[in-house]
Amino acid sequence: QKEVEQNSGPLSVPEGAIASLNCTYSDRGSQSFFWYRQYSGKSPELIMFIYSNGDKEDGRFTAQLNKASQYVSLLIRDSQPSDSATYLCAVIASGGSYIPTFGRGTSLIVHP
Amino acid sequence: DVKVTQSSRYLVKRTGEKVFLECVQDMDHENMFWYRQDPGLGLRLIYFSYDVKMKEKGDIPEGYSVSREKKERFSLILESASTNQTSMYLCASSNREKLFFGSGTQLSVL
Repeated sequence: QKEVEQNSGPLSVPEGAIASLNCTYSDRGSQSFFWYRQYSGKSPELIMFIYSNGDKEDGRFTAQLNKASQYVSLLIRDSQPSDSATYLCAVIASGGSYIPTFGRGTSLIVHP
Repeated sequence: DVKVTQSSRYLVKRTGEKVFLECVQDMDHENMFWYRQDPGLGLRLIYFSYDVKMKEKGDIPEGYSVSREKKERFSLILESASTNQTSMYLCASSNREKLFFGSGTQLSVL
């Protein structure tokens, strides 16, 4: 059974701080890693993806991947109240099925 | 932009009714998915389809069936709705790995 684990939170950070969201996965054959953001009452939307070890930056968001430790994280710099949402980690294994395994999500609250 | 359209935002049905949830995507994606999302349980895959008339069971297919007669349309069918099928249902399509979700259907079975 492939598993993706996230701390459910809520993670509470002050406005302007760095929010760090973490995710671990069980399948060593995993190749592709995604972060989806889901606002309350809305559907998930893709905000970041990463395939290789290291960091990938896009604006205020940085995804970090460490395959040896089976760990992927999302950093949000200069957090804003509008970043308050649930963040879902998703992992796709190799083999071409393109079916992601989702974590249960971490709730982030950015307070003014 | 990719658009995934679910036919209803809110739906109320009676126990035992047959329920159809419709999903249409406009980006010629091969893969389509049906998930349900419940508080504390996250997204759970019900069925997915990788081509017209092709379907595969996900993690929780019991009580559901699907139909994909055309590439752009993927339907979820509850043959005999039960109260434990009250949930948010999310359709998604994918260009290989990146999923695009519809706005969801909140189904209440009374």
